[in-house]
Amino acid sequence: ETGVTQTPRHLVMGMTNKKSLKCEQHLGHNAMYWYKQSAKKPLELMFVYNFKEQTENNSVPSRFSPECPNSSHLFLHLHTLQPEDSALYLCASSQDFPGQGALPNRSPLHFGNGTRLTVT
Amino acid sequence: DAKTTQPNSMESNEEEPVHLPCNHSTISGTDYIHWYRQLPSQGPEYVIHGLTSNVNNRMASLAIAEDRKSSTLILHRATLRDAAVYYCILISARDDKIIFGKGTRLHILP
Repeated sequence: ETGVTQTPRHLVMGMTNKKSLKCEQHLGHNAMYWYKQSAKKPLELMFVYNFKEQTENNSVPSRFSPECPNSSHLFLHLHTLQPEDSALYLCASSQDFPGQGALPNRSPLHFGNGTRLTVT
Repeated sequence: DAKTTQPNSMESNEEEPVHLPCNHSTISGTDYIHWYRQLPSQGPEYVIHGLTSNVNNRMASLAIAEDRKSSTLILHRATLRDAAVYYCILISARDDKIIFGKGTRLHILP
């Protein structure tokens, strides 16, 4: 149990479908992240949220739409995806508020076990 | 781009120590060195981190070179459950982007 829960664990969707991935953390963390992990490629940072505000969008296509209604929940809304979007989508959280230059240290990221997405 | 360089893969025998190297020659003064590992079918998990001094915790030890341009993660007694991809990453308090590289895939031989 990592403290970060992602649902569903597996998802198969067609290119015309609309679906959402959910991430929940009860660690009291302030920052949440979406990462994409494709086969044989490094983890790619997609989005960063701090206190419900998006602070980073790493050039992600608009067919991926994040939502952070509160500090404990993060969603990734998916629509009109392509087969190359098939990947493991990982959510993470951390205590710190990224970008605070006064803090000399960064607390660790806590990852969920991901949602394995297949686009057909 | 990832700011660290690691070997693609390593092998070690069970119950022996493992030394996983990481080069980070462009490290800045505000960068902390973090290590994570990813077990099969799981998300990455935090292992250890440090700034200048060597660090020990229940999972591993981190040895940091005096010039901070390299570091080594030490697993004192590897078990089969330590087989994973190990990531060495640099994280600064001023940077929202936490970038992972390809990591080192560690194989443990029984």
